[in-house]
Amino acid sequence: EAGVAQSPRYKIIEKRQSVAFWCNPISGHATLYWYQQILGQGPKLLIQFQNNGVVDDSQLPKDRFSAERLKGVDSTLKIQPAKLEDSAVYLCASSPRTGKNTGELFFGEGSRLTVL
Amino acid sequence: GENVEQHPSTLSVQEGDSAVIKCTYSDSASNYFPWYKQELGKGPQLIIDIRSNVGEKKDQRIAVTLNKTAKHFSLHITETQPEDSAVYFCAATNDYKLSFGAGTTVTVRA
Repeated sequence: EAGVAQSPRYKIIEKRQSVAFWCNPISGHATLYWYQQILGQGPKLLIQFQNNGVVDDSQLPKDRFSAERLKGVDSTLKIQPAKLEDSAVYLCASSPRTGKNTGELFFGEGSRLTVL
Repeated sequence: GENVEQHPSTLSVQEGDSAVIKCTYSDSASNYFPWYKQELGKGPQLIIDIRSNVGEKKDQRIAVTLNKTAKHFSLHITETQPEDSAVYFCAATNDYKLSFGAGTTVTVRA
């Protein structure tokens, strides 16, 4: 079974530029998550989708971050304009569960963003 | 919201020795506690989890214990091997949002 796919793996941009990350979850997984992992810290949830609806985006900096999940499958996370503090690994995860946030999350390898 | 604290931040052990990582949580309503292992350049991977109605769970060389009264849980790795070297994260949720600790970098010395 194919895992969670993310691209690009690495991206270097200058501050105030824009960037987009793409995620393809495991087939059939209803719930998709975007996490931000700053170096030396644990993953922090940015947004959670269930099918193509948003369940939680309370920690998403909506003035610069946006995310969508078209047709309940692939998802994109966009940052515009980027700030230095956005340098991090952006992890996408999926789960077959809906509703409760218990049970295994399947993570992709992440997209590492460096903002200069 | 839930706050998860994890200790130590780094841990170096001799191959064959045991490793213990401890976490505390703040929300008494939390009922699910997973542990994830993250190898360099990879995403986190679930290694073991425990629910609030269980005090201890074991899977081969790894075990997790939960003390609901004290609101802390621990990961125990016995007979450590070089492939156990990685960053380990604890997490907690009350069914709503999964909150992660800051991670423990474990190095197993040959």
